[in-house]
Order: sequence, then C-alpha cells, then structure tokens
Amino acid sequence: NAGVTQTPKFQVLKTGQSMTLQCAQDMNHEYMSWYRQDPGMGLRLIHYSVGAGITDQGEVPNGYNVSRSTTEDFPLRLLSAAPSQTSVYFCASSWGLAGTTDTQYFGPGTRLTVL
Amino acid sequence: QQQVKQSPQSLIVQKGGISIINCAYENTAFDYFPWYQQFPGKGPALLIAIRPDVSEKKEGRFTISFNKSAKQFSLHIMDSQPGDSATYFCAASGFGNQFYFGTGTSLTVIP
Repeated sequence: NAGVTQTPKFQVLKTGQSMTLQCAQDMNHEYMSWYRQDPGMGLRLIHYSVGAGITDQGEVPNGYNVSRSTTEDFPLRLLSAAPSQTSVYFCASSWGLAGTTDTQYFGPGTRLTVL
Repeated sequence: QQQVKQSPQSLIVQKGGISIINCAYENTAFDYFPWYQQFPGKGPALLIAIRPDVSEKKEGRFTISFNKSAKQFSLHIMDSQPGDSATYFCAASGFGNQFYFGTGTSLTVIP
C-alpha cells in the first residue's frame, strides 16, 4: 500500500492564482481531512470528509474548497491564493471519525508559497 | 483560542536522558489524547495515545502520564536517543469530528 499520497511536494503561486492540492489514499478509509501547519501554530483542520459526497468545515476553512467524489481522493482547492495561505499542507485519513481512537495516517505534505 | 497548550517549544537533552513534554487542555469533553512524532520533511505519525480512564500508558521507552483532575498530560521519553530528535505534537479529541493539536515541541538529543 502507498498509504496517503500528496502532490505536488512544493508549489509557488502568485497572489490571485488558483490551484488544487491532490490527496489520495489506498486504504479504503472513510474519513479524510486537510490540515495546515504553520510555525508556532501546530496543525489546524481546514476541511474534512466522512465519506464520498460528504464534506464539512474545520477550524480554518476560509479560502479553501473541497469535494469528495470517490473514497480514494480528497482534493483541496485554493480559488484565489493569498500570502496568508503560505503554509505546509497535510492530508490525513483514518477508518473512522477523528473524534474516535482511530489512527490518522498523514501524507508527506505540500509546501506552498504564495508571493 | 488554543484548545491544547503545549510546552516547552524546544528541548535539548543529552543521550540517555529523559525528555518530558507537557500539554494542558480546558475542554472536559476531550476523551482521547494522542501524541504524534514528526521528522523534517515528513508528515506526523502516531506515537502513543491514551484515554482518560487510565493515568499512565507505556510503550517501550515512551510513556504518557495523564492527570484528569489537572487536565494535563505529558510525554516522557526514557533513555533518549539521537534518533528521537524530531518535533512532537500532543492532540486531543472527543466531540465533533476534529482533533486539536498543540503547537509542537522540537526535541534535540545530543550524542
């Protein structure tokens, strides 16, 4: 199993550009989520999904969109990038909800810089 | 508002020493407290976790101590090794569908 994969590893955008961060998992997990990691802030939840066709907002959803058309894929879209979105983005998946004891598996991350 | 407060921000320990990282929380609805280990350029990985019905959990050199009345929990790394050098995050969950992470502790173990 590849686990949780993310592409690209690095990305530089200009303010106002749009892009999609890709996330895929091959563990048949129902729960997937996106976090951003900023220095001194830990990881903060952006959006999550409890299954195909179901998504919800996390702690910091503004400026990001998600969709979940399949169990395997959970892309994160930035419609109009802003410098405040410069961060490292992690996708994670688990069997059950994040509020349970199920282990979350994290991808390797995407480092995004917005100029 | 930070749901989980973590300290220290950074920690330097000699090889063979004990590393101690502390976390505190306010919301009594939390009932699951994992610790994650993250190496540079990698995603976080679950290290050890505890539920509040026990006061301590040990896995190898890693121990979680949990104080429900004080709403605090800590990670102890015994016989710290250079390979333990990483960033450690505590987290808490228990309601809704969200984990709340601490701000992280950068651990350096000096040979």
